[in-house]
Amino acid sequence: AQSVAQPEDQVNVAEGNPLTVKCTYSVSGNPYLFWYVQYPNRGLQFLLKYITGDNLVKGSYGFEAEFNKSQTSFHLKKPSALVSDSALYFCAVSDPATGGSYIPTFGRGTSLIVHP
Amino acid sequence: DGGITQSPKYLFRKEGQNVTLSCEQNLNHDAMYWYRQDPGQGLRLIYYSQIVNDFQKGDIAEGYSVSREKKESFPLTVTSAQKNPTAFYLCASSIQAGGRSETQYFGPGTRLLVL
Repeated sequence: AQSVAQPEDQVNVAEGNPLTVKCTYSVSGNPYLFWYVQYPNRGLQFLLKYITGDNLVKGSYGFEAEFNKSQTSFHLKKPSALVSDSALYFCAVSDPATGGSYIPTFGRGTSLIVHP
Repeated sequence: DGGITQSPKYLFRKEGQNVTLSCEQNLNHDAMYWYRQDPGQGLRLIYYSQIVNDFQKGDIAEGYSVSREKKESFPLTVTSAQKNPTAFYLCASSIQAGGRSETQYFGPGTRLLVL
């Protein structure tokens, strides 16, 4: 079975500082990993995904994520946070193993608050 | 503009009433999904459809029903059997059913409230 954990309900960071939103996963094979962002009362927007290849994935709005197989992690990062980055961030994983569901499993979400 | 639309934005349900949430996409995607979002619980899958006239239950299908008569439409009915329907409902689609690396595209959501 596939699962994903976002250990922090909320992350606070000052504008201009680097930010990290954590995600760990569990799958039986090699995972497909996704990050989505949700602004208040809106649907989710795709940020980036890891399928294979380079462990550092670059996405929209200056975000990037690093796939670490040994730590089963896929943390979202940005070098310099903006107040407009404040939103709810979801990590998702899909298991490509034979018999595994292709439907991604979403984490519970992490609320990012960037202070001016 | 291509995308996914959901209506209404807000929906009020009376006790014992069935209500239907609309989801339409013009992306020509094969797969469509319905999720329920509650605070602190992330997204939970209600139903999904890989192709017209076919759909499967997700993790929390009880009290809900769907249909997929057209490729672009995937309405969700919240029945009176769903005792705690207050939530934010999200519809999504992806290009190819069965594609494990497929990105999902989400609609703006419908907030359902019980009177």
